[in-house]
Amino acid sequence: GAVVSQHPSRVICKSGTSVKIECRSLDFQATTMFWYRQFPKQSLMLMATSNEGSKATYEQGVEKDKFLINHASLTLSTLTVTSAHPEDSSFYICSARAAGGFSGANVLTFGAGSRLTVL
Amino acid sequence: AQTVTQSQPEMSVQEAETVTLSCTYDTSESDYYLFWYKQPPSRQMILVIRQEAYKQQNATENRFSVNFQKAAKSFSLKISDSQLGDAAMYFCAYFGNEKLTFGTGTRLTIIP
Repeated sequence: GAVVSQHPSRVICKSGTSVKIECRSLDFQATTMFWYRQFPKQSLMLMATSNEGSKATYEQGVEKDKFLINHASLTLSTLTVTSAHPEDSSFYICSARAAGGFSGANVLTFGAGSRLTVL
Repeated sequence: AQTVTQSQPEMSVQEAETVTLSCTYDTSESDYYLFWYKQPPSRQMILVIRQEAYKQQNATENRFSVNFQKAAKSFSLKISDSQLGDAAMYFCAYFGNEKLTFGTGTRLTIIP
């Protein structure tokens, strides 16, 4: 089945530094990738949608200069948290889908998530 | 904007019994998809079941089935013969206009 690999699973960084999280589709071409943020015991909040080769679309209230998203190929999207601060500490999850509707094996596949802790 | 509402923050069920999780959504679109996802303590999102809005027949996947009421914008999940491994957070999600929107989740506890 479709597999999405997300790396790193855990990262700790100092305040003011930047952190990059990778999301790779291993066995399919992901035309669209989504990035979510999840606070403890809360739901997943969509941060942005990225389509291969074009600029990401950010949700209202998400700082595009703080959360840089790049979708340079059909199998890789990256989220860079720039100048991270303790309030950026959270669980970040990516998901990916191939082109077309959700029929058969084409589903939204999620990565295992990345826990970011900013000291 | 689409909204998804799960009115049950927590539910519990005796092992081997049946439980129903509720979900309602708001949309002006006619073509969309609905999903139930399970998130165990590992936090990996696992697809439980999906429903295309244009299909009237309710989706089923083994012990999991849905009651999709399009006019009422309701999409409940029924888990039959509950097992200990079903314990998790369950999220209802709506996909439309190229976005997946999640409800607030229901924490399901299985009582042995």
